[in-house]
Amino acid sequence: AQTVTQSQPEMSVQEAETVTLSCTYDTSENNYYLFWYKQPPSRQMILVIRQEAYKQQNATENRFSVNFQKAAKSFSLKISDSQLGDTAMYFCAFMNRGGADGLTFGKGTHLIIQP
Amino acid sequence: DVKVTQSSRYLVKRTGEKVFLECVQDMDHENMFWYRQDPGLGLRLIYFSYDVKMKEKGDIPEGYSVSREKKERFSLILESASTNQTSMYLCASTLTGDTYNSPLHFGNGTRLTVT
Repeated sequence: AQTVTQSQPEMSVQEAETVTLSCTYDTSENNYYLFWYKQPPSRQMILVIRQEAYKQQNATENRFSVNFQKAAKSFSLKISDSQLGDTAMYFCAFMNRGGADGLTFGKGTHLIIQP
Repeated sequence: DVKVTQSSRYLVKRTGEKVFLECVQDMDHENMFWYRQDPGLGLRLIYFSYDVKMKEKGDIPEGYSVSREKKERFSLILESASTNQTSMYLCASTLTGDTYNSPLHFGNGTRLTVT
């Protein structure tokens, strides 16, 4: 079974700062996918970014980027130029290739962007 | 856009009641999931289904059952609600075979309180 660990229950930064959320995972699989989801107060889970394990290049989506270290089983999320709307719960998630049995989630990091 | 609709946003039930949580998706997705979200515990998989009338236990199936009579609808059933089932319940769906490009699409959640 896979496990996903997010070691930061809560983080707070000033608007416009850069913040990094950490995530580590444990798996014996070689082919898998990793995701970061955002859950704002509206409760809607929103996909932020995804990474395929066999791709060495780190994924980037506008202000969001990841640092994927496969050997270390680490998948951190960097948010640049943080905005008030980035305030949310952030969940790191793991999926086996095929994905029929869904995602395994970490416990989440509550990110607060201060004005 | 994929739409996953959960019938109730808030629900209050009494201990011992039989509770039905309904979820409908409109994109012909084969796979559907029920997660439970609790503070400090993240999202935990209760049950999932990869086809009509098929179901598989997730990580925490005790006290729950599911029904999938039609492809678009996946119901979570609490046979006899207990106070420890007070939680946020999230339904999600995805396509088989394209889970990387079509990762989980979530509903807005049902916050269930059992008194």
